[in-house]
Amino acid sequence: RKEVEQDPGPFNVPEGATVAFNCTYSNSASQSFFWYRQDCRKEPKLLMSVYSSGNEDGRFTAQLNRASQYISLLIRDSKLSDSATYLCVVNTYSSASKIIFGSGTRLSIRP
Amino acid sequence: DADVTQTPRNRITKTGKRIMLECSQTKGHDRMYWYRQDPGLGLRLIYYSFDVKDINKGEISDGYSVSRQAQAKFSLSLESAIPNQTALYFCATSVGQGGFQETQYFGPGTRLLVL
Repeated sequence: RKEVEQDPGPFNVPEGATVAFNCTYSNSASQSFFWYRQDCRKEPKLLMSVYSSGNEDGRFTAQLNRASQYISLLIRDSKLSDSATYLCVVNTYSSASKIIFGSGTRLSIRP
Repeated sequence: DADVTQTPRNRITKTGKRIMLECSQTKGHDRMYWYRQDPGLGLRLIYYSFDVKDINKGEISDGYSVSRQAQAKFSLSLESAIPNQTALYFCATSVGQGGFQETQYFGPGTRLLVL
């Protein structure tokens, strides 16, 4: 089992729709979490950090569920420009700190 | 100008050749990283450096070596390239805060093809 798993998609939704996807992680010692966005053939860029209390940035909401070991990303009122691959990132701090990227969920917004 | 630059952007080489990928940053960050990205596998950490005198192996360091020549420069070498090292390579930087919890800033990537 992968340490961080994402549904690869693609999620194909109409403009204006709400879309959500999850990322599950296997290490209960994981301590910080992020969502990155990666456009086709470009570098990843931070979308948002994920806090225990959940956080919102405009149309984007990220949540963490430690009990079930997953993080989620909700996009409301989706725009054509939201089409990208969304990568979840999980960091673990212990005797050997680790950073694990999920393989990404591809989102395509259609007009 | 980009804050994190990588050279070359594209490279084709042959099996057995030595190749170096270079990364420079103007962000003033202490921490630098090298990743590779393969379809369906996400980014995997090759090596990282938390300051000039610090080098650490990542998840997949075999077949690679690195050099941190200065705070702003971190190079990745493939001593004897093999076809399964064909991938998209990213350099990244971050401010030091502890573990890997800080935001990482990526360079534009180097596409490497090993024939």
